[in-house]
Amino acid sequence: GAVVSQHPSRVICKSGTSVKIECRSLDFQATTMFWYRQFPKQSLMLMATSNEGSKATYEQGVEKDKFLINHASLTLSTLTVTSAHPEDSSFYICSARDAFTEGLNNSPLHFGNGTRLTVT
Amino acid sequence: SQQGEEDPQALSIQEGENATMNCSYKTSINNLQWYRQNSGRGLVHLILIRSNEREKHSGRLRVTLDTSKKSSSLLITASRAADTASYFCATGLPNDYKLSFGAGTTVTVRA
Repeated sequence: GAVVSQHPSRVICKSGTSVKIECRSLDFQATTMFWYRQFPKQSLMLMATSNEGSKATYEQGVEKDKFLINHASLTLSTLTVTSAHPEDSSFYICSARDAFTEGLNNSPLHFGNGTRLTVT
Repeated sequence: SQQGEEDPQALSIQEGENATMNCSYKTSINNLQWYRQNSGRGLVHLILIRSNEREKHSGRLRVTLDTSKKSSSLLITASRAADTASYFCATGLPNDYKLSFGAGTTVTVRA
């Protein structure tokens, strides 16, 4: 089955530093990847849609200069949390669709295992 | 934005019992999907049901969809301790490739 690898699984950083999270589709190509944020015992909040070769589309209220997204290839998207602050501490999850074989609609999302970010 | 709402928020059952959770949504959909999330992990796709389908099965899972009531249910039969997880419904809207997730139902299966 389609596998999405997300790295790192946990990261602790100091306030003011930047953190990069990688999301890779291992056995399929993903023109579109999605980045979510999840607070404890809550649902997933879509932050942005990452498009290969073009700018990401951010959801309302998400600062694009704070959460930099790069989707340089069909198998890799990165999320960089810049100048991290304690309020950025959260669980970040990426997902992707196998757009070529499954299409964009009526197809499941394949998720990474998430990154627990703690900013001290 | 969140479209789906799961009910109940939490469910505790004995191993071997069935677990039923419901999802209601607000607008017309293309499809509805159910996902499972184990604590501290990503989501795993369970089943997808299209808007023109009424029922779907996958192993011990049974999903129904009632578009007239804008609701879906997920039934897990003969539950096991390994079924302990949070379950989310997600709706795919027409002409929109994004999914909108509900708040989830936390299921605890007691051994």
